[in-house]
Amino acid sequence: NAGVMQNPRHLVRRRGQEARLRCSPMKGHSHVYWYRQLPEEGLKFMVYLQKENIIDESGMPKERFSAEFPKEGPSILRIQQVVRGDSAAYFCASSAQRGYMDEQYFGPGTRLTVT
Amino acid sequence: AQTVTQSQPEMSVQEAETVTLSCTYDTSENNYYLFWYKQPPSRQMILVIRQEAYKQQNATENRFSVNFQKAAKSFSLKISDSQLGDTAMYFCAFMKVDNDMRFGAGTRLTVKP
Repeated sequence: NAGVMQNPRHLVRRRGQEARLRCSPMKGHSHVYWYRQLPEEGLKFMVYLQKENIIDESGMPKERFSAEFPKEGPSILRIQQVVRGDSAAYFCASSAQRGYMDEQYFGPGTRLTVT
Repeated sequence: AQTVTQSQPEMSVQEAETVTLSCTYDTSENNYYLFWYKQPPSRQMILVIRQEAYKQQNATENRFSVNFQKAAKSFSLKISDSQLGDTAMYFCAFMKVDNDMRFGAGTRLTVKP
């Protein structure tokens, strides 16, 4: 059973470009969570999605960031017009059930560098 | 590849007592970092404690301490004087020096009054 997969693992973008980060949850998991890890800080929750629905986006910046989890295909975290402050590691996790106390399985992360 | 294993999906403890959460990892690296994160309902991942592999002394943060056994690749978290607010998911994480991070599947801790 393949774990949570994220790609690309490393992404370099120039200021003003768009970044698309993909997350394929574990087989059978329909809940996806995105986290951002800024240098020297812990993980910060961004958004929680279930298939085709955004359940909780309280941690998502109001502008330039969006997330989706379509019926078919991976979840996508999209950052438009990237700025240097967006440089971070972005982790995706998935779970089979809803709720914060359910097991979450984390992907290896995508490291975004904005130059 | 690095893997992190948390063998206890669920744990419970009485308030004011001590509980130990287990974590083992697999790596061929010599230099790395280990972390314990706490995840409350907000889903924020709060860093509880951090250990550098080159340090032999076990890290301690107030009621939280670790038992780091490098040869055994074991990194357990001890919570003393458990409080109701400690109820949460706890994740063990491993990070190589190039910031490549891996997480365990989590342990669900319930503190009972």
